[in-house]
Amino acid sequence: QKEVEQNSGPLSVPEGAIASLNCTYSDRGSQSFFWYRQYSGKSPELIMSIYSNGDKEDGRFTAQLNKASQYVSLLIRDSQPSDSATYLCAVTGGSSNTGKLIFGQGTTLQVKP
Amino acid sequence: EPEVTQTPSHQVTQMGQEVILRCVPISNHLYFYWYRQILGQKVEFLVSFYNNEISEKSEIFDDQFSVERPDGSNFTLKIRSTKLEDSAMYFCASSAGEALGQYFGPGTRLLVL
Repeated sequence: QKEVEQNSGPLSVPEGAIASLNCTYSDRGSQSFFWYRQYSGKSPELIMSIYSNGDKEDGRFTAQLNKASQYVSLLIRDSQPSDSATYLCAVTGGSSNTGKLIFGQGTTLQVKP
Repeated sequence: EPEVTQTPSHQVTQMGQEVILRCVPISNHLYFYWYRQILGQKVEFLVSFYNNEISEKSEIFDDQFSVERPDGSNFTLKIRSTKLEDSAMYFCASSAGEALGQYFGPGTRLLVL
């Protein structure tokens, strides 16, 4: 069973701080990696995608991928109360080439004013 | 900005009844997916659909489930005889490529009584 693991949290940070969210995956052949944000009762919203080792920055978000360690992370700089949500790590590829996403349980982020 | 739409937003049905959940994917996307999320649990893959056929399905997607793209815009999920354990949020998603990010609709909350 291919797994994606995340610490469920909650991760609590003060407003303006950096939030660091982590994810590990078990399928070494995974090729595409995504971070989704999910507000309570809402659908997952794609915020970052990363396909190769290293860092990828988009505004206040930076995704980091280390395929050797099977590790993906998301940094949120200058965290805002509106960033309070559950962040889902998702991977695809490996044994499946149909785009099937395998999701982690999600990490709940709380940004305190 | 293009978005995935889903109808209905809520559906209440009796056990054993058939339900059809509808989705309109983003117009230039070619890959379509259904996922579900039971309250408090992970987002789970159900099925992927490309070129008018199922490309992959999960163990959850048994003979009671079917998908169809009846025209150029709609994508439907049918559950033939609902069970109590089918109660969940059902999300449709679409993407431009199987390795690319998937965009989720707002979901249909299905409650089976």
